Amino acid sequence: DSGVTQTPKHLITATGQRVTLRCSPRSGDLSVYWYQQSLDQGLQFLIQYYNGEERAKGNILERFSAQQFPDLHSELNLSSLELGDSALYFCASSAYRDSTEAFFGQGTRLTVV
Amino acid sequence: AQSVTQLGSHVSVSEGALVLLRCNYSSSVPPYLFWYVQYPNQGLQLLLKYTTGATLVKGINGFEAEFKKSETSFHLTKPSAHMSDAAEYFCAVSGSLSGSARQLTFGSGTQLTVLP
Repeated sequence: DSGVTQTPKHLITATGQRVTLRCSPRSGDLSVYWYQQSLDQGLQFLIQYYNGEERAKGNILERFSAQQFPDLHSELNLSSLELGDSALYFCASSAYRDSTEAFFGQGTRLTVV
Repeated sequence: AQSVTQLGSHVSVSEGALVLLRCNYSSSVPPYLFWYVQYPNQGLQLLLKYTTGATLVKGINGFEAEFKKSETSFHLTKPSAHMSDAAEYFCAVSGSLSGSARQLTFGSGTQLTVLP
């Protein structure tokens, strides 16, 4: 158990809908990262938050947004969902702003139908 | 720019045999290199990492990897495979100067099957 909790584990929704994925980092970790794992794109970094502020953006679509709350949990919001958004979404956390090591949650499997 | 190539999307070995998973990287700055393992329906778990110093890195579960700068490689090995090693393995490189996790670029993964 990495200490990173993601909910829900599975999510099935229709095209055009909006969903929210939640992540609770390891106790004391200030950085949260979101990754997308899909069959065609592999594992890709989406976005990082550090202590409530956006730190870095990767290959994140404009339809997607995230935030980190004062209690350090994070949410990834996906809107106007398309079939191609079906993927496993991972959250990871680390202690510092630029840590070399991140601890991954078990992921949320999103299926868009 | 940085990239990772994992040779062989599927590798099968017999229980007790040597495990060798290949990883080559490219990076414009001195790289930090990682191997992660993903068991079915699980997140990624860090096996080992190379940042600086000794080029032979030992990780968890008996795995080790050697950083070879001249070959731009970071192959993962284990002397004797166990059934519990069956999983998908990802090599990753962080090419930023700080080696931050946000800069991780992952390979496409190698599915390891261990045959009884």
